[in-house]
Amino acid sequence: QKEVEQDPGPLSVPEGAIVSLNCTYSNSAFQYFMWYRQYSRKGPELLMYTYSSGNKEDGRFTAQVDKSSKYISLFIRDSQPSDSATYLCAMRRSGGSNYKLTFGKGTLLTVNP
Amino acid sequence: ETGVTQTPRHLVMGMTNKKSLKCEQHLGHNAMYWYKQSAKKPLELMFVYNFKEQTENNSVPSRFSPECPNSSHLFLHLHTLQPEDSALYLCASSPYRGDTQYFGPGTRLTVL
Repeated sequence: QKEVEQDPGPLSVPEGAIVSLNCTYSNSAFQYFMWYRQYSRKGPELLMYTYSSGNKEDGRFTAQVDKSSKYISLFIRDSQPSDSATYLCAMRRSGGSNYKLTFGKGTLLTVNP
Repeated sequence: ETGVTQTPRHLVMGMTNKKSLKCEQHLGHNAMYWYKQSAKKPLELMFVYNFKEQTENNSVPSRFSPECPNSSHLFLHLHTLQPEDSALYLCASSPYRGDTQYFGPGTRLTVL
């Protein structure tokens, strides 16, 4: 079983739709969870960063972590064409020596005008 | 220049060539990373430097040779690469090892 599973898509939605992106993981030691957005021909940029379980909201974006189910989600409300990108989930264990990020493969999202 | 920059942005090389990728961060960070991003695969961590010292070599073949002369600069020296080494090579930095990582735009490498 892979440590992090992420459906690569592609996912195509109309403008204004609510988008749900998800990752599952197998390592219960993961404590920090991140979502990166990667536009074509660019490097990943950090979008959301959460610790342990719960929700975090930032504008149109909401990150959700359910550690009991080993499941994380990113919701995008009122999606825009500018949200079209690949979304990568990443996670790591706690502790300064545990700096390695484990990434999902990424989900390609297209928001159609 | 701000953030993390990488040069060149695109590189085509033959299997017998020697080339180098350069990364520079303007964020005052102390940790720097090299990643490989291949199609349909997760990002693979290659090397980690913390305060100029290499702290991680993730079983990377010796045809990839990193160099970190100071906390702002990171190089990846390439020689006798294979076609399967074609990928996007990403550099990242963080304030300290374990902190949030900030990525550069990457170098798209094609090995013929």
